[in-house]
Amino acid sequence: NAGVTQTPKFQVLKTGQSMTLQCAQDMNHEYMSWYRQDPGMGLRLIHYSVGAGITDQGEVPNGYNVSRSTTEDFPLRLLSAAPSQTSVYFCASSYSGLPGTGELFFGEGSRLTVL
Amino acid sequence: DAKTTQPPSMDCAEGRAANLPCNHSTISGNEYVYWYRQIHSQGPQYIIHGLKNNETNEMASLIITEDRKSSTLILPHATLRDTAVYYCIVRNTGTASKLTFGTGTRLQVTL
Repeated sequence: NAGVTQTPKFQVLKTGQSMTLQCAQDMNHEYMSWYRQDPGMGLRLIHYSVGAGITDQGEVPNGYNVSRSTTEDFPLRLLSAAPSQTSVYFCASSYSGLPGTGELFFGEGSRLTVL
Repeated sequence: DAKTTQPPSMDCAEGRAANLPCNHSTISGNEYVYWYRQIHSQGPQYIIHGLKNNETNEMASLIITEDRKSSTLILPHATLRDTAVYYCIVRNTGTASKLTFGTGTRLQVTL
């Protein structure tokens, strides 16, 4: 039972490079989301999806793109990496985005450094 | 979504109860209170949630005041492994979840 799987766990990029952080869940969850965590800032929501084909912006969406072509996968794309995007990224999923119906399950995180 | 206020840090002796407060004075009637924790740099872990009534599970108890303006997470017998950052979050039922985390309370359990 894998839960939420994020890859890669660690990545170093140069400014201007692009990359995709992968997130997959095997729990048939409708709701998936991406957060970033910076020191002393808590977790901030980047993008989220309430089902395949549906995505929306969170608090800090600039510089990131997402898509949801399947229920299982929710990749996060950095189009042109900047040092300000150095952070730890967490993917999370739940059965439904509605509260009271289930908790969020988080992946182990992807640590990104942009030089 | 209602905002929450938590103390930045707390200490607790191992074996004692840890009582973590959360203020959510602007909470509305359809908003749930959720608690998560983050151990070291791992992904956050769900602990418990409630709407009006007190709740208990194998990890913790959640006490919500009658006016719902505040709540307390209780870890009945804290261990060193409970050292973590604890997040209190209020979620709106009207939207398909845009869960927002604050900076939480850093709980240090000591011998």
